[in-house]
Amino acid sequence: ELKVEQNPLFLSMQEGKNYTIYCNYSTTSDRLYWYRQDPGKSLESLFVLLSNGAVKQEGRLMASLDTKARLSTLHITAAVHDLSATYFCAVGYNNNDMRFGAGTRLTVKP
Amino acid sequence: DAGITQSPRHKVTETGTPVTLRCHQTENHRYMYWYRQDPGHGLRLIHYSYGVKDTDKGEVSDGYSVSRSKTEDFLLTLESATSSQTSVYFCAINSGPQETQYFGPGTRLLVL
Repeated sequence: ELKVEQNPLFLSMQEGKNYTIYCNYSTTSDRLYWYRQDPGKSLESLFVLLSNGAVKQEGRLMASLDTKARLSTLHITAAVHDLSATYFCAVGYNNNDMRFGAGTRLTVKP
Repeated sequence: DAGITQSPRHKVTETGTPVTLRCHQTENHRYMYWYRQDPGHGLRLIHYSYGVKDTDKGEVSDGYSVSRSKTEDFLLTLESATSSQTSVYFCAINSGPQETQYFGPGTRLLVL
């Protein structure tokens, strides 16, 4: 059965700093997703990664996928307060299932 | 906005009562999903549908049933609600397994 581990679970960082969130998963998968969730809100899709070596960037966020290592990273560059949220990775499982990590709660402080 | 609505948005009910949550989409997507979100667990799949009258179980399906009689509506039923089913329930849609899932606004359910 697929297990998805995210770390760290809590991240407090200063504005302007860089940091990386890690998503490890336990079995082979052909798709990985990153989502953002603001408090009390729904999930917003950030990235879909479908192949080994895939890299996608949007603003200060960059996601990558290494299927051989079963690892995805979400890199934050020069953090700003607006990036404060909870970030989830989710890994495709079987045909239609998707398993989520527990989430990383990011707080960006001035 | 992916054209997904959920109703009700908030509900308080008592243990042992039946509860039905509705997910409605306007974009004719084939796939629809029900998740629950609990602290420390991320989201967990309850049931999903891959077409009218075609449904399958997810990771945490015990105590839940679903129905899809029309493309646009996917219903989640708690036959006899328990306090462990207190959660936030999200519906999601997509066009295929490798496509992004888009999530509805969520329903907060409290079972007393």
